[in-house]
Amino acid sequence: GAVVSQHPSWVICKSGTSVKIECRSLDFQATTMFWYRQFPKQSLMLMATSNEGSKATYEQGVEKDKFLINHASLTLSTLTVTSAHPEDSSFYICSARAITVGGIPYEQYFGPGTRLTVT
Amino acid sequence: DAKTTQPNSMESNEEEPVHLPCNHSTISGTDYIHWYRQLPSQGPEYVIHGLTSNVNNRMASLAIAEDRKSSTLILHRATLRDAAVYYCILKGSYIPTFGRGTSLIVHP
Repeated sequence: GAVVSQHPSWVICKSGTSVKIECRSLDFQATTMFWYRQFPKQSLMLMATSNEGSKATYEQGVEKDKFLINHASLTLSTLTVTSAHPEDSSFYICSARAITVGGIPYEQYFGPGTRLTVT
Repeated sequence: DAKTTQPNSMESNEEEPVHLPCNHSTISGTDYIHWYRQLPSQGPEYVIHGLTSNVNNRMASLAIAEDRKSSTLILHRATLRDAAVYYCILKGSYIPTFGRGTSLIVHP
């Protein structure tokens, strides 16, 4: 099956620093990638949607200058949390939608998540 | 806004069947019904999807009401590894959103 990887799986950083999270589709090309954030015991909240080669579309309330998303290729998207603060500590999950003919309609493949802790 | 409604939690005993309900009364004719599950500290995992007809796969069965306003995910024999949060999501030509899902507790 399709695999999405994330790196790193967990990261601890100091307040005020920036952290980059990578999301890769390993065996398929992704037209669209989604970034979610999940706080403990809550559901996934969509942060932004990105299409390869285009600017990301951010959900209401998500600061685009703080959460920089780059979708440089059909297999790689990155999320950079700039000037991180403790309230940015969360579980960040990426998801990729494949270019497919047939298969599961609107299928999304999810990465394993990245646990960010800002101290 | 999430377009689906699910119970916050359900409990089951190991080896017993589990029926997880989902209401989606505003579903449109072209929306697909997808189910995902999320184990602790992991990303969501695809379980099953359907449009109008009931569906079976190696993980579960999906029963879709005739009016498509509700569906039920059926785990035929729950195991401890099935303990997870199960999300019912509608998908169409829009960005899908996750509701709170149903936290399934499986007792040994």
